[in-house]
Amino acid sequence: DIVLTQSPATLSLSPGERATLSCRASPGVKTYLAWYQQKPGQAPRLLIYDATNRATGIPARFSGSGSGTDFTLTISSLEPEDSAVYYCQQRDNWPITFGQGTRLEI
Amino acid sequence: EVQLLESGGGLVQPGGSLRLSCAASGFTFSSYAITWVRQGPGRGLEWVSYISNSGGDTQYADSVRGRFTVSRDNSKNMLYLQMNSLRDEDAATYYCAKGIGGTSSLDYWGQGTLVTVSS
Repeated sequence: DIVLTQSPATLSLSPGERATLSCRASPGVKTYLAWYQQKPGQAPRLLIYDATNRATGIPARFSGSGSGTDFTLTISSLEPEDSAVYYCQQRDNWPITFGQGTRLEI
Repeated sequence: EVQLLESGGGLVQPGGSLRLSCAASGFTFSSYAITWVRQGPGRGLEWVSYISNSGGDTQYADSVRGRFTVSRDNSKNMLYLQMNSLRDEDAATYYCAKGIGGTSSLDYWGQGTLVTVSS
């Protein structure tokens, strides 16, 4: 199975700061990686798919980069509502796998 | 507006069975693959199963293969997850989610249905 390792586990930042979340895949997943945001009591929301493509309705402050084994989700200027857990997910090979999540505290 | 609405969750004893349903609306259901994802209490996301738009291709996590069966009725815009031989570790909120095209990048999710496994 492809293992996705997210870092850091928790990130505490202030509004207006830049957040950088990492997801490392072993083995590599080409660009078949997505990022989701999940707030308490809610279903996950797709932010980025295929490494760099913003999903419909996602603000431009969210961006994705990377390929192969190393991927990054960047939130350029944090808003209080960005507090959530963020998951990466690969679809390169079965079984689909998720990372363990990064908790972002604003 | 795309909507996915899960139902069928509840309390079941270990070894029991449950069938989850997912009612879809707001898109051409027969054109899209659907995925089941679960989340145990206080835990992360776990992929459970995938079914292609036609139903001809299905995939399962090792943890549920042989016990769970995914199916769909495109004439009714419905997705199902038959869960047999339930274990304590199957307790979770189960989400159905629509993929982008035939992929497993999940752009719309239901609100989830809670399955509790306990004697």
